[in-house]
Amino acid sequence: QSALTQPRSVSGSPGQSVTISCTGTSRDIGSFNYVSWYQQHPGKAPKVVIYDVRKRPSGVPDRFSGSKSGNTASLTISGLQAEDESDYYCCAYAGGYTWVFGGGTKVTVL
Amino acid sequence: EVQLVESGGGVVQPGGSLRLSCAASGFTFNTYWMHWVRQAPGKGLVWVSRMNSDGTNTTYADSVKGRFTISRDNAKNTLYLQMTSLRAEDTAVYYCVRDVKYQPESWGQGTLVIVSS
Repeated sequence: QSALTQPRSVSGSPGQSVTISCTGTSRDIGSFNYVSWYQQHPGKAPKVVIYDVRKRPSGVPDRFSGSKSGNTASLTISGLQAEDESDYYCCAYAGGYTWVFGGGTKVTVL
Repeated sequence: EVQLVESGGGVVQPGGSLRLSCAASGFTFNTYWMHWVRQAPGKGLVWVSRMNSDGTNTTYADSVKGRFTISRDNAKNTLYLQMTSLRAEDTAVYYCVRDVKYQPESWGQGTLVIVSS
């Protein structure tokens, strides 16, 4: 499967909002509401921040939100904070018990 | 608390073999599908393989099909990845991942595999 498409980087000042897009196809994002997002700090394992397109695990701040339209999912971080600076990956169920990930987006807090 | 602890990584020559292990604890291992996901140095996450809860069904990425074998021992709460015919492009951190409703939910800390002569 081809990787989902994410922007290489996005940036924002503290307190601003940033949105990361994740574009797939009708066979993955467009077919299932099993889209999740992961935050990964350098040298660490990924940590889920959004699952089921828009649900937040307990402990994840409500400034993280997710959405989906057609074949594109999005992660929005509102009220950007210094600790949000990290790499973010989207993931979608691609059918056949397989996953497909995005290439990753580096979020920089200016 | 869910814990996934990978081991078995190391340096191996091209064409060689390696077996990774993932020790699971803090949950009922035999009721969850499990996956392996890898990340080459400085690159993104790539799905590798999946096994269902009772070990009767497997799925592989095309890039590893025929070379890698996923397995599990539910009595030992352990997931495995047997890797053969290793190539330089298999160099990566390999993560063991718990599947909850078709999505990655819990990740191990990863184990580094380096394929180099």
